[in-house]
Amino acid sequence: DGGITQSPKYLFRKEGQNVTLSCEQNLNHDAMYWYRQDPGQGLRLIYYSQIVNDFQKGDIAEGYSVSREKKESFPLTVTSAQKNPTAFYLCASSKGQGGFYGYTFGSGTRLTVV
Amino acid sequence: DQQVKQNSPSLSVQEGRISILNCDYTNSMFDYFLWYKKYPAEGPTFLISISSIKDKNEDGRFTVFLNKSAKHLSLHIVPSQPGDSAVYFCAARGLYGGSQGNLIFGKGTKLSVKP
Repeated sequence: DGGITQSPKYLFRKEGQNVTLSCEQNLNHDAMYWYRQDPGQGLRLIYYSQIVNDFQKGDIAEGYSVSREKKESFPLTVTSAQKNPTAFYLCASSKGQGGFYGYTFGSGTRLTVV
Repeated sequence: DQQVKQNSPSLSVQEGRISILNCDYTNSMFDYFLWYKKYPAEGPTFLISISSIKDKNEDGRFTVFLNKSAKHLSLHIVPSQPGDSAVYFCAARGLYGGSQGNLIFGKGTKLSVKP
């Protein structure tokens, strides 16, 4: 079955540490995205990539970094520069720019700073 | 400035009745509008979409209506079932500028369907 896999499901980070969230898809989708969800805030775009070896900042990219070395993979690193990293992180992918059929989302990673 | 707005954070409906979820947008430069359903601790799942050149799209119990002059869309669920209880997100795809090609999401409406 094709899908998008995020790991781990839960992640705990000490203050000052960098952590990397994994996102893998086997849907042969061109575009991949990272969103952050906070209570009452909806989904906010962190980074997106329309093609391998290229990515663009979204609305809240500060304190985050990404890479897109393979079509299937789009890992997100939450750096120590991110002041409020505790949130639910969602990865998504789309064929083209996801018009009529939108994006396919992973099941999310909940990151907690301890 | 929020471009996609869901002004009702929550909605409670009796099982079997109609659920109507509303969404307003401020930018005319969207070409698709979508609805997603999300359960706690899971990713959103695509529900239904509509092109900006249409005014209605129907899929089973779900119908989306688009009123371009009012910059308003709504999702109707008939009949509502307890399994429909979830958070519903409205999204729009931008045509131009920094949002070109990306989905912009509202803050969501939590629907509770009571047996």
